[in-house]
Amino acid sequence: IAGITQAPTSQILAAGRRMTLRCTQDMRHNAMYWYRQDLGLGLRLIHYSNTAGTTGKGEVPDGYSVSRANTDDFPLTLASAVPSQTSVYFCASSATSGSRDEQFFGPGTRLTVL
Amino acid sequence: GQNIDQPTEMTATEGAIVQINCTYQTSGFNGLFWYQQHAGEAPTFLSYNVLDGLEEKGRFSSFLSRSKGYSYLLLKELQMKDSASYLCAVADSNYQLIWGAGTKLIIKP
Repeated sequence: IAGITQAPTSQILAAGRRMTLRCTQDMRHNAMYWYRQDLGLGLRLIHYSNTAGTTGKGEVPDGYSVSRANTDDFPLTLASAVPSQTSVYFCASSATSGSRDEQFFGPGTRLTVL
Repeated sequence: GQNIDQPTEMTATEGAIVQINCTYQTSGFNGLFWYQQHAGEAPTFLSYNVLDGLEEKGRFSSFLSRSKGYSYLLLKELQMKDSASYLCAVADSNYQLIWGAGTKLIIKP
């Protein structure tokens, strides 16, 4: 693994189904983030984690949950998917949650909810 | 509310110079970032400004005026590979990034 990976690359999901997007980083970064990117809108923060064992809500957390059991992994779960959750999802990490640290992004997961 | 404004799209010629502007209104300010995002790919870091002035990094420079809530990204000697979206993001009082919608830059030969 080099950097930050996400799985799956893309997924088509029926509404009402549960889905977990996976994110793994090998940079030993403390902070991790989940964003969604929709056409015409900026990246919007869903949830974040400043360090293993802690999580926080971002701008658009409803319908999503996260966990941070260890430093490397930060899965995002949609408990019951709805069509408005159709989006491109990016996981990112940074060394710390301090403002100077650049965020490194995974390749993204393209999710379609029908 | 918090707001980041950037032009939606710009067109420039290969070899030329282009300036992409970003204005912001946020609850607190802990620095401004510029990222590049090629179509279908992840954003990648370009620059970070927290003090007023110009930061130069090769063909790319970024300027910040905190009193005006304004930044720009300057790209010199444009190359076709610079065709991408350029995202402006501000770290707010909680150190969370607030993102603009991005400026799609089209380079013509």
